[in-house]
Amino acid sequence: DAGVIQSPRHEVTEMGQEVTLRCKPISGHDYLFWYRQTMMRGLELLIYFNNNVPIDDSGMPEDRFSAKMPNASFSTLKIQPSEPRDSAVYFCASSSGTENTGELFFGEGSRLTVL
Amino acid sequence: QQQVKQSPQSLIVQKGGISIINCAYENTAFDYFPWYQQFPGKGPALLIAIRPDVSEKKEGRFTISFNKSAKQFSLHIMDSQPGDSATYFCAARGADSWGKFQFGAGTQVVVTP
Repeated sequence: DAGVIQSPRHEVTEMGQEVTLRCKPISGHDYLFWYRQTMMRGLELLIYFNNNVPIDDSGMPEDRFSAKMPNASFSTLKIQPSEPRDSAVYFCASSSGTENTGELFFGEGSRLTVL
Repeated sequence: QQQVKQSPQSLIVQKGGISIINCAYENTAFDYFPWYQQFPGKGPALLIAIRPDVSEKKEGRFTISFNKSAKQFSLHIMDSQPGDSATYFCAARGADSWGKFQFGAGTQVVVTP
């Protein structure tokens, strides 16, 4: 399996611009997670989906952030408008609900820099 | 407020030495405690995990020690190698919140030759 695939790997944008991050989970996994990683706050769970339905979005920082999962093989995280404090590495992860431990399989991340 | 507290923030160990990372938690509903390893430019990957019904789990050079009464668990890396240089995260999850892992702040481990 190819693993969790994220794009773009790097994004540099200017404040106020819209940013869209994309994720393809591992085939057959029914859970998808979006995390944000910064030096100050570590790994933060933003939102997660089960069978394409958002289950918990309590970690989404504010209304500028939105996430969708239109089908089992694709999810997006959108920031509009972006701000410099959104600069971070955004990780997508997937897991299987049928596997006892729910091991998270992370992608390689999308490094976002907002100028 | 971080539900899982991890220390130290960083450590340097010589090749062949032992690396020890500690984590503490408050929520007694947590029932699964994994450790993730992250190399620069990569996403975290599961290293080893434990449930509270055992006090120790060993996989190769990596051992988790678990103290349920103290609500603490630790990762020991025996015979540390330069290839072990990475950031290590402890995490915890409750049975009632299957999808929500609480991660520690991470420990950057550097193993010197």
